[in-house]
Amino acid sequence: GENVEQHPSTLSVQEGDSAVIKCTYSDSASNYFPWYKQELGKRPQLIIDIRSNVGEKKDQRIAVTLNKTAKHFSLHITETQPEDSAVYFCASLKYNFNKFYFGSGTKLNVKP
Amino acid sequence: NAGVTQTPKFQVLKTGQSMTLQCAQDMNHEYMSWYRQDPGMGLRLIHYSVGAGITDQGEVPNGYNVSRSTTEDFPLRLLSAAPSQTSVYFCASSYRSGGANTGELFFGEGSRLTVL
Repeated sequence: GENVEQHPSTLSVQEGDSAVIKCTYSDSASNYFPWYKQELGKRPQLIIDIRSNVGEKKDQRIAVTLNKTAKHFSLHITETQPEDSAVYFCASLKYNFNKFYFGSGTKLNVKP
Repeated sequence: NAGVTQTPKFQVLKTGQSMTLQCAQDMNHEYMSWYRQDPGMGLRLIHYSVGAGITDQGEVPNGYNVSRSTTEDFPLRLLSAAPSQTSVYFCASSYRSGGANTGELFFGEGSRLTVL
């Protein structure tokens, strides 16, 4: 099956700095890559996603890039704010195979 | 819309006891799934379903049973609880189109289970 690796496991940044979280995947047929944010004690919620026919997608302060050749994708958060502090999970999916595979998570701490 | 609703939110069991985690969604999603979340291990798929009467195993299915009699409900059963099943459990659903998942998973609030 698919293997998704996520780095780093923890990340601490100063408010206003940028944060980058990276994921690699093993199955070249995977074609959908979402990112979820999970605040303490809450459910994971989708913040951005990218499909394999696109190289980059932005939504205000967050962006995701995908390199299909290298089989990795990254989450970029600019101008970080304390409310960005949470655990972030990457995931991958092959549309016809019904199984989402998640990375192990990155705990982001934004220091005011 | 309530979205995805899970019950109970907290449960303590003794080894060998059985219980059912309930999950219901009101978005008419074909796809429903159960994950367990353990520290440092992300979310691991237990079982999933692509419609009423259809279920299949995920990455970590041992010790768990599921059924899907309606589009709305997807209960997860622990037949004989073990301490290794102490975890936070999430139910999630997704829209499908043309027989395939198309994207976003919607999660329930989670159920924290402790097995003593």
